[in-house]
Amino acid sequence: ETGVTQTPRHLVMGMTNKKSLKCEQHLGHNAMYWYKQSAKKPLELMFVYSLEERVENNSVPSRFSPECPNSSHLFLHLHTLQPEDSALYLCASSQEDSGAYNEQFFGPGTRLTVL
Amino acid sequence: EDQVTQSPEALRLQEGESSSLNCSYTVSGLRGLFWYRQDPGKGPEFLFTLYSAGEEKEKERLKATLTKKESFLHITAPKPEDSATYLCAVRVPSAGGTSYGKLTFGQGTILTVHP
Repeated sequence: ETGVTQTPRHLVMGMTNKKSLKCEQHLGHNAMYWYKQSAKKPLELMFVYSLEERVENNSVPSRFSPECPNSSHLFLHLHTLQPEDSALYLCASSQEDSGAYNEQFFGPGTRLTVL
Repeated sequence: EDQVTQSPEALRLQEGESSSLNCSYTVSGLRGLFWYRQDPGKGPEFLFTLYSAGEEKEKERLKATLTKKESFLHITAPKPEDSATYLCAVRVPSAGGTSYGKLTFGQGTILTVHP
């Protein structure tokens, strides 16, 4: 595997279900991100982990719960979602070094549909 | 508040018809401007990073430029395979002493190139 991978690619869930999205980066980066992309709206940053520590939580509802067990893996745990949570969820990673502002590399995304 | 505005929202070109996409930004302390390409159902693909006014970068038919208030993505003699959504993002200072990529995205320009 290369780059940033995400599973599953598609997920349909009911409002009472619990599911998890998985992201893995094979780039040796030290920061990972979750974004939400809804139709007609810009990408929204949800969570940031740098060196496995959550450093940003952009007022995301508690029904979304991130987990970063190590620098290569990132999860997004979902429970009691709402239909408006249907979107493309993107994972990204970057190498954060002092004084360098490097690009983020994105995975293919998980298309989530909440019924 | 940091803002990124892309124009036009959609652009239709004939193959070979050169044009430019615009990204206007208002941020406090720019740490880099990024261009991405996104194909339907896929994650954004990194194209360019620009750090300072006057900087230019090229890749095949694409050329990105940066001023203090905006960036342009010039497309020379486009081909149908250049059809995609082009995203612009600005990096702003992260909170506290931790370095991470806090990106603010524009809503994108949907480019369609007809043969």
